[in-house]
Amino acid sequence: QKEVEQNSGPLSVPEGAIASLNCTYSDRGSQSFFWYRQYSGKSPELIMFIYSNGDKEDGRFTAQLNKASQYVSLLIRDSQPSDSATYLCAVIAPRTRGYNKLIFGAGTRLAVHP
Amino acid sequence: KAGVTQTPRYLIKTRGQQVTLSCSPISGHRSVSWYQQTPGQGLQFLFEYFSETQRNKGNFPGRFSGRQFSNSRSEMNVSTLELGDSALYLCASSLGQDNEQFFGPGTRLTVL
Repeated sequence: QKEVEQNSGPLSVPEGAIASLNCTYSDRGSQSFFWYRQYSGKSPELIMFIYSNGDKEDGRFTAQLNKASQYVSLLIRDSQPSDSATYLCAVIAPRTRGYNKLIFGAGTRLAVHP
Repeated sequence: KAGVTQTPRYLIKTRGQQVTLSCSPISGHRSVSWYQQTPGQGLQFLFEYFSETQRNKGNFPGRFSGRQFSNSRSEMNVSTLELGDSALYLCASSLGQDNEQFFGPGTRLTVL
């Protein structure tokens, strides 16, 4: 079982729709959760982070965390073609496993078509 | 505030050579982490430095090493390069433990 799992996609949504990206993690001791966006040939860009159960909204993005279910998701409202990228879910490993180790999922490729 | 910078951006080396990559974190950030990204393995953690001390290390052979200087700048070194070391090497900086990590543009290393 991979430590962080994501559906690789591609997830194809029409412009203006809501894109829903999902991620599960295996280590129940994980505390910090991040979503990165990566365009082809570029480095990952942090778009959301969430530490507590519930929802966190920032503009068109909403991150949702459910620690009981070990599930984190990212919603993108009013999707635009410029949102087409790979979205990486990342979790910081529990401190018992050392400091600041980000564990990444394989990423979900999102394609927003006009 | 300037972001994370990495040099060089591109490198081409041959098998058996060694390489040194450099990373300057965001001003005020004391933690620098290094990651390797390949199409097959995705993003994998190499090591993390804080206040010139390596606090964490991933599952990479000893050919991969690093260090951090008093100004928080960091270098990583790969000795005796292998074809499989071809990858995008990313550096990320953060304030400390469990904080958000911000990535630099990366160094794309090609080993021939």
